[in-house]
Amino acid sequence: TQLLEQSPQFLSIQEGENLTVYCNSSSVFSSLQWYRQEPGEGPVLLVTVVTGGEVKKLKRLTFQFGDARKDSSLHITAAQPGDTGLYLCAGNSGYALNFGKGTSLLVTP
Amino acid sequence: DAGVIQSPRHEVTEMGQEVTLRCKPISGHDYLFWYRQTMMRGLELLIYFNNNVPIDDSGMPEDRFSAKMPNASFSTLKIQPSEPRDSAVYFCASSFAGSGTNEQFFGPGTRLTVL
Repeated sequence: TQLLEQSPQFLSIQEGENLTVYCNSSSVFSSLQWYRQEPGEGPVLLVTVVTGGEVKKLKRLTFQFGDARKDSSLHITAAQPGDTGLYLCAGNSGYALNFGKGTSLLVTP
Repeated sequence: DAGVIQSPRHEVTEMGQEVTLRCKPISGHDYLFWYRQTMMRGLELLIYFNNNVPIDDSGMPEDRFSAKMPNASFSTLKIQPSEPRDSAVYFCASSFAGSGTNEQFFGPGTRLTVL
């Protein structure tokens, strides 16, 4: 199993702050996905990154795939309470996904 | 589409009892995945099916766990006998290989508590 380490494990910030969370592995992935999970629900896909060095933006969220396709980061600008949730990265292993343990984000007003 | 449907949403049972979790994938999807989520271990893949055929069950913890997919619209995950350490949230997810995105669509999960 290809291990994905996410950091930090927990993050509590105030509305309006910026933050970055990380997803690291010693393995190369053909692609990497970021999911967001809200309490009591299943994860929902935010983005898929495929090419080394790729940067994708989703409104205030910026995702980057490392050049070597072993790591990724998620940057949130001007966080809002609606961004609260568990952010999971997942590396593709064929059609299966290997998930990290996630970063639990709390944004307070 | 209704999305992935799981039942029950909550299950409380006593140690030694049999537990059956159910999943209806999104119509037309050809992959179905069963996951278990705990604080300690995160989201773990237990088993996945392609066109109703089990492809990889290496994540199934032990022989007490079994999964079936008798047709394209239904799958079960059974635990017999259940133990307190099986307490977790169990998710079913489905995907369509032809989409080219490998996006998995998750159900709302079944929260299992074994006393």
